[in-house]
Amino acid sequence: DTEVTQTPKHLVMGMTNKKSLKCEQHMGHRAMYWYKQKAKKPPELMFVYSYEKLSINESVPSRFSPECPNSSLLNLHLHALQPEDSALYLCASSQAQGLAGVETGELFFGEGSRLTVL
Amino acid sequence: DQQVKQNSPSLSVQEGRISILNCDYTNSMFDYFLWYKKYPAEGPTFLISISSIKDKNEDGRFTVFLNKSAKHLSLHIVPSQPGDSAVYFCAASGGSGTYKYIFGTGTRLKVLA
Repeated sequence: DTEVTQTPKHLVMGMTNKKSLKCEQHMGHRAMYWYKQKAKKPPELMFVYSYEKLSINESVPSRFSPECPNSSLLNLHLHALQPEDSALYLCASSQAQGLAGVETGELFFGEGSRLTVL
Repeated sequence: DQQVKQNSPSLSVQEGRISILNCDYTNSMFDYFLWYKKYPAEGPTFLISISSIKDKNEDGRFTVFLNKSAKHLSLHIVPSQPGDSAVYFCAASGGSGTYKYIFGTGTRLKVLA
């Protein structure tokens, strides 16, 4: 199973709403990522979890709150978003880095959640 | 500051010919490079990678070349097929222990039948 599953595929929310994006993988990967991609731009890293601990936060505003309940799941909680936060949110996973004998591995991406903030 | 650049926003190639997509980087700490293909409304799909200890890696129709001195890599697709039409991103990583993958701006490839 080489799949990363993201739900929902589409989400429309108002600026006062609270919603969550979910991501799941069953490849045994111990690193999981959130990327944000706007139209005609490259994916931009938001957060990285390694062994269920937050290891990178790319200065993301606190209205985005990540959570890693276990090694297979990654959530992104959304609250008080702005219209400019509308984008495709991509989840990815990879092997853990820095392990003996494990070369830096490729990211496996989900299909993304298209978020529209009204 | 864009550390990974793809200077050609688009490229058109005839079916059966070679497609060459280029990528330049500025950070000499990068030592692992990947290419991804992306269709609209889908997540990027991994194609091929190369470590800085190599200068070439081949997988079927896809070959990636790395020129470390020039900080340049390229993806060759031979022969090109209409199904290859997509946006291609290169990405770079700074080595074992780092999870920061930096993506280039992308090149839209159109393969003409």
